[in-house]
Amino acid sequence: GAVVSQHPSRVICKSGTSVKIECRSLDFQATTMFWYRQFPKQSLMLMATSNEGSKATYEQGVEKDKFLINHASLTLSTLTVTSAHPEDSSFYICSARGRDRGGGNTIYFGEGSWLTVV
Amino acid sequence: GEDVEQSLFLSVREGDSSVINCTYTDSSSTYLYWYKQEPGAGLQLLTYIFSNMDMKQDQRLTVLLNKKDKHLSLRIADTQTGDSAIYFCAENTGFQKLVFGTGTRLLVSP
Repeated sequence: GAVVSQHPSRVICKSGTSVKIECRSLDFQATTMFWYRQFPKQSLMLMATSNEGSKATYEQGVEKDKFLINHASLTLSTLTVTSAHPEDSSFYICSARGRDRGGGNTIYFGEGSWLTVV
Repeated sequence: GEDVEQSLFLSVREGDSSVINCTYTDSSSTYLYWYKQEPGAGLQLLTYIFSNMDMKQDQRLTVLLNKKDKHLSLRIADTQTGDSAIYFCAENTGFQKLVFGTGTRLLVSP
């Protein structure tokens, strides 16, 4: 079963509004979560790294005021796309670092969220 | 810089073996991963290999790692139509930040 839950899976919003996407780790504590963006037929692009209780670290070229990331607990990180525009339409995926059964550090991904801005 | 490369497309017949290749650049990578992405879905972790290993086998999946050449491969034995998807390799470049390859689209025909 899924170990990282992402919600909503699909969302349509009007241009100029804000939309929040949640990423939850199930059955494990995720001190670090990551947010990626994927354009059609392209690979994933890391947007930011989120550590619990501290400010997110954004990758170069990602607007921190537009993509607000909050990691308030060890199981929840949120991405808020503020003042959304059609060019923000994309597939957003979160991931969380956890321990697998073998004790190794593994990164688990959420199911992704399709955002369409109209 | 960070750059992970994969061939874009692979077509095989059902029952054959598939080999998906990946080259990476960061020799300090600790873990290397293979993910599967089906249309419209998120990424599913298939397997991973620690950098001090040469090979890892998990049921139909075999991962080979050549650290000297920074080459990673994923072999799928007895490929099925349900294996049709995009496969991404990814390297851990530190602090668990992943850099993804461009993805290989695997098409399995009956």
